Amino acid sequence: KAGVTQTPRYLIKTRGQQVTLSCSPISGHRSVSWYQQTPGQGLQFLFEYFSETQRNKGNFPGRFSGRQFSNSRSEMNVSTLELGDSALYLCASSLESGPVEYFGAGTRLSVL
Amino acid sequence: AQSVSQHNHHVILSEAASLELGCNYSYGGTVNLFWYVQYPGQHLQLLLKYFSGDPLVKGIKGFEAEFIKSKFSFNLRKPSVQWSDTAEYFCAVKSDNNNDMRFGAGTRLTVKP
Repeated sequence: KAGVTQTPRYLIKTRGQQVTLSCSPISGHRSVSWYQQTPGQGLQFLFEYFSETQRNKGNFPGRFSGRQFSNSRSEMNVSTLELGDSALYLCASSLESGPVEYFGAGTRLSVL
Repeated sequence: AQSVSQHNHHVILSEAASLELGCNYSYGGTVNLFWYVQYPGQHLQLLLKYFSGDPLVKGIKGFEAEFIKSKFSFNLRKPSVQWSDTAEYFCAVKSDNNNDMRFGAGTRLTVKP
């Protein structure tokens, strides 16, 4: 079966812009989690969605938001981009709201 | 604060050497423990996981990890590494108190042929 799909794979934006990233989980998976990966901070949890509801949120500013649709696809939005938002954004899916086993390839965001 | 610590940032080994990567966590209560691997240019992949039962867990590619509750540790081991094990390894913890998983900073393993 198809894995976790993230689009786009690469993005270049400038400071102040906003960006939307998309994640399609594995078919049948209802939980989607988002992580930010940077060389300095490693992998940091952003938020988790389950059945269209945000179940948990990491320690990121309100500029980072997300949503989940009825087909379990999820989007993540970052408004008013800052240079420090440059990172690899990873999406992961799981059957229920539980441990993550399947990650996508990520979207690499560069903010200039 | 809850945290996950990986003691080694970069480990360099020769092929056939034994590997042990440390992981300690500071969560109380019941935890689920994981090791992930990220090969160069590839996705994060789950290597192994511990939920309950036998504290010695065997994963893919000959890796194993031992949960020592008294030491809050979940170290990753492999008796004989190969050049293809060159990757970054992440320890992660999920506690029953919350729904998110916390990752360690990662350990980069370089295996010299």
